[in-house]
Amino acid sequence: DQQVKQNSPSLSVQEGRISILNCDYTNSMFDYFLWYKKYPAEGPTFLISISSIKDKNEDGRFTVFLNKSAKHLSLHIVPSQPGDSAVYFCAASEGGTSGSRLTFGEGTQLTVNP
Amino acid sequence: GAGVSQSPRYKVTKRGQDVALRCDPISGHVSLYWYRQALGQGPEFLTYFNYEAQQDKSGLPNDRFSAERPEGSISTLTIQRTEQRDSAMYRCASSPPNMYEQYFGPGTRLTVT
Repeated sequence: DQQVKQNSPSLSVQEGRISILNCDYTNSMFDYFLWYKKYPAEGPTFLISISSIKDKNEDGRFTVFLNKSAKHLSLHIVPSQPGDSAVYFCAASEGGTSGSRLTFGEGTQLTVNP
Repeated sequence: GAGVSQSPRYKVTKRGQDVALRCDPISGHVSLYWYRQALGQGPEFLTYFNYEAQQDKSGLPNDRFSAERPEGSISTLTIQRTEQRDSAMYRCASSPPNMYEQYFGPGTRLTVT
């Protein structure tokens, strides 16, 4: 069963516009959520995260929103830049900062066109 | 500082051979994780360690897969009697104490022919 789902395999936006990447989850035990960015031939790079006790976390051009009742989170990138073109993975953890597996979605390929 | 390193970056092996994949985590990171990633999918959890103790190996697909981290630093993932279905990208990640964020290495691309 796919506990974390990213339903859009790809997204294309114009430079300067907003990119919105979506993620849904089914496991109500998840209490921490992360977004990773991945360039070709590299490992995933941590981007931004949010605890389940919050509904928004912002870091520069990146904002993550969490809607617990809908089991949905989204990543907003404003303004989008060509260098943001990459695969974005949503991931979730059941908690325990002493170590906890991450469950990943399938990824969304973002293309930002100049 | 240095990130997570993995070796080899690419490994081609014949079916039935054993392979050992190595991960060198970021210095000071207590937790070390192994994931497997198929093409077009996200990483899938295999196992993880806190220090030298293997805390969770529920993601290992069968008993041909094993992992160790004897001194709480470098870890080795071993696949015995490889099969074609074992072909994938194997990723290692580490995290600092009391942190959720995991930092990934570049991965080892394993191809079983």
